[in-house]
Amino acid sequence: SSELTQDPAVSVALGQTVRITCQGDSLRSYYASWYQQKPGQAPVLVIYGKNNRPSGIPDRFSGSSSGNTASLTITGAQAEDEADYYCNSRDSSGNPSVVFGGGTKLTVL
Amino acid sequence: QVQLQQWGAGLLKPSETLSLTCAVYGGSFSGYYWSWIRQPPGKGLEWIGEINHSGSTNYNPSLKSRVTISVDTSKNQFSLKLSSVTAADTAVYYCARVGYSYGLEYYYYMDVWGKGTTVTVSS
Repeated sequence: SSELTQDPAVSVALGQTVRITCQGDSLRSYYASWYQQKPGQAPVLVIYGKNNRPSGIPDRFSGSSSGNTASLTITGAQAEDEADYYCNSRDSSGNPSVVFGGGTKLTVL
Repeated sequence: QVQLQQWGAGLLKPSETLSLTCAVYGGSFSGYYWSWIRQPPGKGLEWIGEINHSGSTNYNPSLKSRVTISVDTSKNQFSLKLSSVTAADTAVYYCARVGYSYGLEYYYYMDVWGKGTTVTVSS
């Protein structure tokens, strides 16, 4: 089955821009979805499809994709954006499965 | 607004069967897939499987031999059973609604999540 690879940790200064990446073969076929998870809480969908934000998600969150790499960009990171971020897609290897990246811990300095 | 409420036994002994149910309130049940995901303590998310209102299922190959996901459309509920549990199955288990597009753009996402159920396997 496919795998999605994320950097374990990323940091950003308050108010600056940060990009979190996700790599995997399935991303050549599927756009990634992105989830934010804060300690003790369920994940929250922040980006899906080409660059779609669910209702209530701030527009500082955006998504992009190139080849086998998907990116989540936070423009003007806020203290409340400190969280774990996971990417996800359908497996494109012919197996009707679903894969998650290992997660990226975002620290806002 | 769609809400998912989940419940089930939180403490199991090795070799027992984990059983969780997720109820869907406030929205359509048909037309979606419904998924189970788990997260071991301090680790990432792992997809377990999914089901639609017709009972069509897909499972994680690594868990397929032990997993059964079923649906009760009369109650707008879906359930997870995981047999022969071990300590490695200790995790927070989430249910979620699945959205997808297989048209001009291909994408897959989970937009509504339950609050999670902590399941501990210990002798």
